[in-house]
Amino acid sequence: DAGVIQSPRHEVTEMGQEVTLRCKPISGHNSLFWYRQTMMRGLELLIYFNNNVPIDDSGMPEDRFSAKMPNASFSTLKIQPSEPRDSAVYFCASGTGLGHQPQHFGDGTRLSIL
Amino acid sequence: EDQVTQSPEALRLQEGESSSLNCSYTVSGLRGLFWYRQDPGKGPEFLFTLYSAGEEKEKERLKATLTKKESFLHITAPKPEDSATYLCAVHHNNNDMRFGAGTRLTVKP
Repeated sequence: DAGVIQSPRHEVTEMGQEVTLRCKPISGHNSLFWYRQTMMRGLELLIYFNNNVPIDDSGMPEDRFSAKMPNASFSTLKIQPSEPRDSAVYFCASGTGLGHQPQHFGDGTRLSIL
Repeated sequence: EDQVTQSPEALRLQEGESSSLNCSYTVSGLRGLFWYRQDPGKGPEFLFTLYSAGEEKEKERLKATLTKKESFLHITAPKPEDSATYLCAVHHNNNDMRFGAGTRLTVKP
């Protein structure tokens, strides 16, 4: 069975550029989560969707961050403009409930902003 | 303030040397506590969910337990392939999912 698929796996770009991270959740899962992981702050929940609708985006750090889920099989996390402090590993996870159920994680996108 | 604290930060064991990892939490209205394993360069992999004090779950050499204030992940006779970072996460009343910083486990042959 295909797991959560994220692309790209690695992204290196210059400060000020727009960055788009992509996620394909597991088929049949109705919840999708975006996380950011850094050494300093660990794993932080940024936003989550249920049935393609954003439920809570209180973890999104700034207005430079935005996320969309146009359909059940695709989501994007966009940073515009990017800054060096956005460098981190970004994970997408999917599940069948709003946190009560285990989440299945992708292997992440390692983002470096120069 | 809602907090999830894991200890120790790092643990080095000899193969076969059993030990326990701790996850203590101060959140209102626990709705579920999750244990995950994370290997370098990979996303967290789900291990267990615990919902109420007294509950226990087992999988191979791992056993997770839950009290009202903390959870333990017991590792019995670990093998080198058990080396990973173990994360606990708490889902609580305001629908927040909060992760601990993790325990980095190394099992030497």
